[in-house]
Amino acid sequence: EAGVTQFPSHSVIEKGQTVTLRCDPISGHDNLYWYRRVMGKEIKFLLHFVKESKQDESGMPNNRFLAERTGGTYSTLKVQPAELEDSGVYFCASSQVGNLYEQYFGPGTRLTVT
Amino acid sequence: RKEVEQDPGPFNVPEGATVAFNCTYSNSASQSFFWYRQDCRKEPKLLMSVYSSGNEDGRFTAQLNRASQYISLLIRDSKLSDSATYLCVVNLMNTGFQKLVFGTGTRLLVSP
Repeated sequence: EAGVTQFPSHSVIEKGQTVTLRCDPISGHDNLYWYRRVMGKEIKFLLHFVKESKQDESGMPNNRFLAERTGGTYSTLKVQPAELEDSGVYFCASSQVGNLYEQYFGPGTRLTVT
Repeated sequence: RKEVEQDPGPFNVPEGATVAFNCTYSNSASQSFFWYRQDCRKEPKLLMSVYSSGNEDGRFTAQLNRASQYISLLIRDSKLSDSATYLCVVNLMNTGFQKLVFGTGTRLLVSP
């Protein structure tokens, strides 16, 4: 069974540009989560989808971040315009319906904003 | 104050040693507790859940003390392959929704 995949693995962009990160969860997993780890800090929750609906987006830092999950399959996280402090590793995770705890993480996208 | 606090380490131990990591959490409403393992530049992976009665999985033993809001992980007979960062993770109810809250991790280095 394929795990959670994320694309791209690395992205280097300039301040003010736009970047879109993609996450493909494990097939059949209705729960999809986005997390971010800024250098030297802990992994922090950004938001949680159940199928195509945003269940909890309390961790989204500001309105420069937009997450979508059209059709309830893959998800995208767009940062527009990117700022220096957005640099970090963005992880996506998924879990089965009814199981919020056993989350399977993707390899992450390392975003560098210069 | 951080919601989940861990000693960042690193803990340097020889092969075969026993090592213990501790973690404290600030929110008494936390419901579930986990240890995740993260290898360098890799994704976190669930190592084990932590139950109130304590639980063991091979060389790994996890314990929870709700009164003290304290979680521990004990690794016996350390292997070189145990070298990694161990993340203490708490499931927190937030405005009606549940989310995972991570500690910064404790780094373990097992040497020959």
